[in-house]
Amino acid sequence: QVQLVQSGAEVKKPGASVKVSCKTSGYTFTGFYIHWVRQAPGQGLQWMGWINPNSGGTNHAQKFQGWVTMTRDTSIRTAYMELSRPGSDDTAVYYCARSPSGGVGNFDYWGQGTLVTVSS
Amino acid sequence: QSALTQPASVSGSPGQSITISCTGTNSDVGGYDYVSWYQQHPGNAPKLMIYDVNNRPSGVSYRFSGSKSGNTASLTISGLQAEDEADYYCSSYSSSSTDVVFGGGTKLTVL
Repeated sequence: QVQLVQSGAEVKKPGASVKVSCKTSGYTFTGFYIHWVRQAPGQGLQWMGWINPNSGGTNHAQKFQGWVTMTRDTSIRTAYMELSRPGSDDTAVYYCARSPSGGVGNFDYWGQGTLVTVSS
Repeated sequence: QSALTQPASVSGSPGQSITISCTGTNSDVGGYDYVSWYQQHPGNAPKLMIYDVNNRPSGVSYRFSGSKSGNTASLTISGLQAEDEADYYCSSYSSSSTDVVFGGGTKLTVL
């Protein structure tokens, strides 16, 4: 069965980078895009961007350009999302989700979420 | 402020039908048939309920249906059940943004 399993919760000081992983199984890793979506406490969903595991190409929402990096390792079927220089307002649950292509949505499987807390 | 506008809350009694709206522009909802709807229970990841405006993934109840008219998409839940109480989010492809935009979410209360 399709599974996306994310790494555990993180607590970071402001300015310290954090990297979240999303390990996939049960489907062809290179056949689906991986998107990242975050949800601040008590708030709605915010789309961050996607990575095409086949080519490594990425697309970021404007707010995250230049300080969020999305990568993948096809040998272990895992996608990564790294926040550099996070601030306290980046405290959120970060989700990975797969879709058949870049912009169409259709996030049919999601990871369980990773809580990232940024606090001094 | 979210790119797509949803009502903050809706409510209904068991057995009734409710509709949640999702209003955008002709650069997103109105211009493309790439509207999705997600259900999220507290503490859980979102679940895809509708994709491409009106398609249900395998395993999603027939009580959930989607539609679109102009720049507004809608999610209708018929025969409300207690388990439908959750937050619901719409999303769409957007040509004026860098791909995907979400609505602000709607809290559904089953009375």
